[in-house]
Amino acid sequence: SQELEQSPQSLIVQEGKNLTINCTSSKTLYGLYWYKQKYGEGLIFLMMLQKGGEEKSHEKITAKLDEKKQQSSLHITASQPSHAGIYLCGAAAGNMLTFGGGTRLMVKP
Amino acid sequence: DTGVSQDPRHKITKRGQNVTFRCDPISEHNRLYWYRQTLGQGPEFLTYFQNEAQLEKSRLLSDRFSAERPKGSFSTLEIQRTEQGDSAMYLCASSRYLTLGTSGSITEQFFGPGTRLTVL
Repeated sequence: SQELEQSPQSLIVQEGKNLTINCTSSKTLYGLYWYKQKYGEGLIFLMMLQKGGEEKSHEKITAKLDEKKQQSSLHITASQPSHAGIYLCGAAAGNMLTFGGGTRLMVKP
Repeated sequence: DTGVSQDPRHKITKRGQNVTFRCDPISEHNRLYWYRQTLGQGPEFLTYFQNEAQLEKSRLLSDRFSAERPKGSFSTLEIQRTEQGDSAMYLCASSRYLTLGTSGSITEQFFGPGTRLTVL
């Protein structure tokens, strides 16, 4: 079965700083999803990556899938308190998604 | 359409009671998924439907769990004889499955707000 490992598990940054979250897969990624979750709430879709080397951006968040399709990174530029939450990567595994354990982000004003 | 909705948002029950959750997917989505998420973990797949057919079930879905999607629209997840270990967030998601020749592709899965179950 496919396993996803996210690092770091938690992160505290000062407002305005940049940060990167990594997601490493035990198998080739054929579809990699990034979601954000506020504590106790559902998942908000951020981006989906499918092709090796693909990069997508939305506002201040950029996600990349490496050429070998086994690792993805999520980069936030000039972090804001609104970026706080849990970031989850999910891999398309057959007809379902397999998720990493999440990265808990806190942004200090 | 405002997205995937779930009801109730919170449920507190005593051990041994039965509970039922409802999920209303995005209207044009033919696939509906159930996931379970425990504290500090990522969501784990339980089961999914394409239209009204339940096509896959995880081994996490014990015989106390049953899910239905009778008309290919909303879905219900029932847990019988609840146990304290069933306490979790139950998430529903929906997507579209597009048939492309002999293969297919799945669009993004959009999640509902979840139902938080606490079993006392």
